[in-house]
Amino acid sequence: QLQLQESGPGLVKPSETLSLTCTVSGGSISSSSYFWGWIRQPPGKGLEWIGSIYYGGSTYYNPSLKSRVATSVDTSKNQFSLKLSSVTAADTAVYYCARQGSGWYYFDYWGQGALVTVSS
Amino acid sequence: QSVLTQPPSVSGVPGQRVAISCTGSSSNIGAGHDVHWYQQHPGRAPKLLIYGNNNRPSGVPDRFSGSKSGTSASLAISGLQAEDEADYYCQSYDYRLSVVQVFGTGTKVTVL
Repeated sequence: QLQLQESGPGLVKPSETLSLTCTVSGGSISSSSYFWGWIRQPPGKGLEWIGSIYYGGSTYYNPSLKSRVATSVDTSKNQFSLKLSSVTAADTAVYYCARQGSGWYYFDYWGQGALVTVSS
Repeated sequence: QSVLTQPPSVSGVPGQRVAISCTGSSSNIGAGHDVHWYQQHPGRAPKLLIYGNNNRPSGVPDRFSGSKSGTSASLAISGLQAEDEADYYCQSYDYRLSVVQVFGTGTKVTVL
């Protein structure tokens, strides 16, 4: 059974960079059939797609966040990562990593989520 | 602000059939892009409920069904059960601003 687990600091200061890693177990991140995505959810609000990355390094991002987002893949560790720069309180959210089908683009496996609070 | 609009809330009594709409436009659902649906219980990660408009992943009860027509999609829950009380989100692809995945605004289903 595929499992994803987010890890990283739960508190980030304003203007700094948020960094999260997603560790994939029970399957290979190098599969050609999938992208690996990040989705966030501010407290009490809806879901927002941040971006997705292919194991080969191809990326696509939400245009509203593109200037501040970077993602990467480490196939040797079966991990992928998210960096979001110049954060503000508006970036406070639960951040989910998820597997995304490369054909239909649905997210079929999700991590449990990591709450990241932006505060000084 | 999402480009896919859902009603904020829907309610029903056990056993009833309820439906949740997901209204988009010509740049997403109306362009023929697939719609997927997720169920989210409080404090939990979303769970894929319907993919490709009307397909259920293994393990999802056949009480859940999806459909799409024009610029809208719909999720129906027949035989509503207490455990169906959750938030539901639609998702599709929108090409207006390059390649973008978009989620709906979300609908809270309450079982009365």
